Amino acid sequence: QKEVEQDPGPLSVPEGAIVSLNCTYSNSAFQYFMWYRQYSRKGPELLMYTYSSGNKEDGRFTAQVDKSSKYISLFIRDSQPSDSATYLCAIRGGSYIPTFGRGTSLIVHP
Amino acid sequence: NAGVTQTPKFQVLKTGQSMTLQCAQDMNHNSMYWYRQDPGMGLRLIYYSASEGTTDKGEVPNGYNVSRLNKREFSLRLESAAPSQTSVYFCASSKMGTGGNTEAFFGQGTRLTVV
Repeated sequence: QKEVEQDPGPLSVPEGAIVSLNCTYSNSAFQYFMWYRQYSRKGPELLMYTYSSGNKEDGRFTAQVDKSSKYISLFIRDSQPSDSATYLCAIRGGSYIPTFGRGTSLIVHP
Repeated sequence: NAGVTQTPKFQVLKTGQSMTLQCAQDMNHNSMYWYRQDPGMGLRLIYYSASEGTTDKGEVPNGYNVSRLNKREFSLRLESAAPSQTSVYFCASSKMGTGGNTEAFFGQGTRLTVV
């Protein structure tokens, strides 16, 4: 079992929908949680970063961490076609090296 | 501000050929990484360098070597390329440490095909 599990999708939604992207992890030592967005043929770019349980909001994006369930989520409100990309969760524990999920492909159609 | 720059962007090699992928960062980061990304496999760590002068193996180091030339540059070498090394290669860098503001920043990738 990989340390970080993420459904690869693809997830297809209509424009304006609320999108929920999720990851589960197995190591309770993980403390830092990140979401990256990767457009086709580009490198991953950091979207959000959090190190505590609860919610963190940034514009249309909300990152949620539930350490008791070892479950993290990224919500996208009012999704746009420009949000179409692969979203990777990354989780880090005592080591500074992040462990990445496999990524979820999101398609937002007009 | 360029961030993390990788060269070349594309490369086609014949089996058995060698090549070096170059990476440079201008963010004054201590730590640098090489990942490969394959369909359905996500990002897998090949090698990393915690700081100038140190390198360590990651999850999939076989067939690769690295050199941390200085604080800015971290190169990845394929000595004898194999078709299994066809992949997209990403270099990344980060501040050293485990606290906040130490997240990794990525280059745009090198698409390598070995025929």
